[in-house]
Amino acid sequence: EVQLVESGGGLVQPGGSLRLSCAASGFTFSNHNMNWVRQAPGKGLEWVSYISRSSGAIYYGDSVRGRFTVSRDDAKNSMYLQMNSLRVEDTALYYCARDLHYYDSDYWGQGTLVTVSS
Amino acid sequence: QSALTQPASVSGSPGQSITISCTGTSSDVSDYKYVSWYQLHPGKAPKLLIYDVINRPSGVSNRFSASKSGNTASLTISGLQAEDEADYYCSTYTASRTRVFGGGTKLTVL
Repeated sequence: EVQLVESGGGLVQPGGSLRLSCAASGFTFSNHNMNWVRQAPGKGLEWVSYISRSSGAIYYGDSVRGRFTVSRDDAKNSMYLQMNSLRVEDTALYYCARDLHYYDSDYWGQGTLVTVSS
Repeated sequence: QSALTQPASVSGSPGQSITISCTGTSSDVSDYKYVSWYQLHPGKAPKLLIYDVINRPSGVSNRFSASKSGNTASLTISGLQAEDEADYYCSTYTASRTRVFGGGTKLTVL
């Protein structure tokens, strides 16, 4: 069974940092492109970042580029999101999502909540 | 990158069909085949309904179908059921090497 489990969320002050993790199981992690997608309270889905197989291609949304860094460790079946210079508007439920092929996320985790507040 | 444009809400009665539109630009929906649709129930993870504009993953009901014409993609749900009441989002790849979601559509089954 495919499982994606996010962790690392929590309460952080503006300007602070957090590192999110996504632990994958039930499939060959190295064969899949991966994404981070977030949903702010009462808002819609917002794509955050994409990392391809073997980390050959990495892309970011305009609102996080330069502040967030995505990475993966295929040996540990894990993906990470290093979030720096956090802003109040980064408050959201952060999902880890696996792509079936390209930009078509067929499995999602349950999300980890990030709250940026003073 | 602006969000794709979806109607905020649609509604229909059980058994009816509804269509949700998703309008982008020539730099995203029109130019790429990577349009996908997702269903979100409160408190649950998003579910992939459609990928590559028209394809259904295995296990997704054939009541869900999709199409694309120019800058607009569409999701049709036929034979509406109470369990279809949820939020629906479209998504696509863009010329800027980013991905964008629609603003979401709340479906109410009357």
